[in-house]
Amino acid sequence: KTQVEQSPQSLVVRQGENCVLQCNYSVTPDNHLRWFKQDTGKGLVSLTVLVHENDKTSNGRYSATLDKDAKHSTLHITATLLDDTATYICVVGDRGSALGRLHFGAGTQLIVIP
Amino acid sequence: EAAVTQSPRSKVAVTGGKVTLSCHQTNNHDYMYWYRQDTGHGLRLIHYSYVADSTEKGDIPDGYKASRPSQENFSLILELASLSQTAVYFCASTTENTEVFFGKGTRLTVV
Repeated sequence: KTQVEQSPQSLVVRQGENCVLQCNYSVTPDNHLRWFKQDTGKGLVSLTVLVHENDKTSNGRYSATLDKDAKHSTLHITATLLDDTATYICVVGDRGSALGRLHFGAGTQLIVIP
Repeated sequence: EAAVTQSPRSKVAVTGGKVTLSCHQTNNHDYMYWYRQDTGHGLRLIHYSYVADSTEKGDIPDGYKASRPSQENFSLILELASLSQTAVYFCASTTENTEVFFGKGTRLTVV
């Protein structure tokens, strides 16, 4: 059973617009949540990690929130650029160490058009 | 900067043939992992290793073997490749904290 659900599956926005990606999960325990960016044909690059109950993080034009009560996270991308075109993957770690398991969502494919 | 290098980056294999995917990390990390990615699905764990000369089964180990001859190297072996093993394979390494580093992936096509 899929424990990490991402929505939407795909999204098309115009350059300069903002967008919001959603991640709902049922992983227990939920030690931390990380958002990755995966360019086509490339590996996963970490954007941000959220650890605490109502964490909020910011990394340039990327910002993220985590609500552990609701088991829900959002990734906001502000003023999108063409280079933001990629798949964004939500990953939940069930332990705070390398011994824990990572649970991957299927990703949201974001396409930014001129 | 942390680095995980996979080779080859792509490969076409014949059904029933043997395939070896290699992964090399220069991060001095103890933990290494092999995942596969299929369209529309999240990454799934095949095998992992905590220390050289030892490997563990992940969630989908059937049809795969792994080898960790040194801390830096971790290989994934398909003794008898099958069509269902066509996928993109990712290697990753990590330390005791939550940071994880991925290779760029190997696209395997079995024909």
